[in-house]
Amino acid sequence: AQSVTQLGSHVSVSEGALVLLRCNYSSSVPPYLFWYVQYPNQGLQLLLKYTSAATLVKGINGFEAEFKKSETSFHLTKPSAHMSDAAEYFCAVRSGGYQKVTFGTGTKLQVIP
Amino acid sequence: EAGVAQSPRYKIIEKRQSVAFWCNPISGHATLYWYQQILGQGPKLLIQFQNNGVVDDSQLPKDRFSAERLKGVDSTLKIQPAKLEDSAVYLCASSSAPSGGGGNEQFFGPGTRLTVL
Repeated sequence: AQSVTQLGSHVSVSEGALVLLRCNYSSSVPPYLFWYVQYPNQGLQLLLKYTSAATLVKGINGFEAEFKKSETSFHLTKPSAHMSDAAEYFCAVRSGGYQKVTFGTGTKLQVIP
Repeated sequence: EAGVAQSPRYKIIEKRQSVAFWCNPISGHATLYWYQQILGQGPKLLIQFQNNGVVDDSQLPKDRFSAERLKGVDSTLKIQPAKLEDSAVYLCASSSAPSGGGGNEQFFGPGTRLTVL
């Protein structure tokens, strides 16, 4: 079985501050991990993915995430928040190639001017 | 490259009515997914097609939901009859790799927002 837990349904940061969105996963086999972003009234867009190569994954818009097997975590970070980062972020896991992707419940990021 | 197209974007119906959603994936993408996203939750997979065959429909409420992907391209998702709890955004996504491609990216359409009154 696979699952994803995102801590914090809402996160607020000041513009220019560090963004940290937390994601913990459960998987019986080495997982594939994803972060997606969803802007209002739009579909999901892939930010980055972990596929067992480098543990530090860099994505679009300055985001990155680090896979930590010992902590079963895949937290998303960005050094300096922009107003345009305000959106909902979803962490997702796939345990092996033939498994469906399981999404977390999402974290809404608010950026305060 | 054109993205995943979905229609309609919004639909309001009364309970017990029927409704259908349409999805046109990115050209050449073999795998097509339908997700249900209830407000405040992450997307939940309803059905996954590989070409025109069903790979996973374990979470599809088959007593009221049906989906087809004729000729392995466009797909339709139907609800008949609708219930209040079906109010959600229905997302279609597609990917190029076969189901076994674990790291393959899914490209999402804008979704159809369904309101059941």
